[in-house]
Amino acid sequence: KAGVTQTPRYLIKTRGQQVTLSCSPISGHRSVSWYQQTPGQGLQFLFEYFSETQRNKGNFPGRFSGRQFSNSRSEMNVSTLELGDSALYLCASVSGVENTEAFFGQGTRLTVV
Amino acid sequence: AQSVTQLDSQVPVFEEAPVELRCNYSSSVSVYLFWYVQYPNQGLQLLLKYLSGSTLVESINGFEAEFNKSQTSFHLRKPSVHISDTAEYFCAVSERAAGNKLTFGGGTRVLVKP
Repeated sequence: KAGVTQTPRYLIKTRGQQVTLSCSPISGHRSVSWYQQTPGQGLQFLFEYFSETQRNKGNFPGRFSGRQFSNSRSEMNVSTLELGDSALYLCASVSGVENTEAFFGQGTRLTVV
Repeated sequence: AQSVTQLDSQVPVFEEAPVELRCNYSSSVSVYLFWYVQYPNQGLQLLLKYLSGSTLVESINGFEAEFNKSQTSFHLRKPSVHISDTAEYFCAVSERAAGNKLTFGGGTRVLVKP
């Protein structure tokens, strides 16, 4: 079956702009989580959606938001971009309520200039 | 809140030599434990996981990890590495019955030399 699909793979934005990233989980998976990966901070949890509801949230400012649709696809939005938002954004797909195995997409590389 | 510490940021190793990557975690509740591998410009791939049962878990490509509850560790080992094992390895935990949030260690970059 198809894996986790993240689009776009690469993105360049200017400071102050906003951006929307998309994640399509594995068919049948109901949970989608988002992570930010940077050389300085490593892998940090942003938020998790399960059946269209945000279930967990990390320690990121309100400029970072997300949503999940009825088909389990998820979008992540970052408003008023800052240089420090440059990172690899990874999406993880999990089939059920508990994390017994998360499948990751290849990520979206966001560069803010 | 849980935390994960990977004690080595980089590990150089010669081909066919053994390697051990150390991982310690801190959590007030029961956790699931994972090792992920990341190749350049790629996402994360699950290497192996500990959910319950036998404390020694193995992957199909020769890696193994042992859960030690008293030492709160989950070290990863491979008896003989290949050039293709060059990658970054991440240890992660998630709390049981608390959703799908993963907390990652800082990663260990393994460089296999010929």
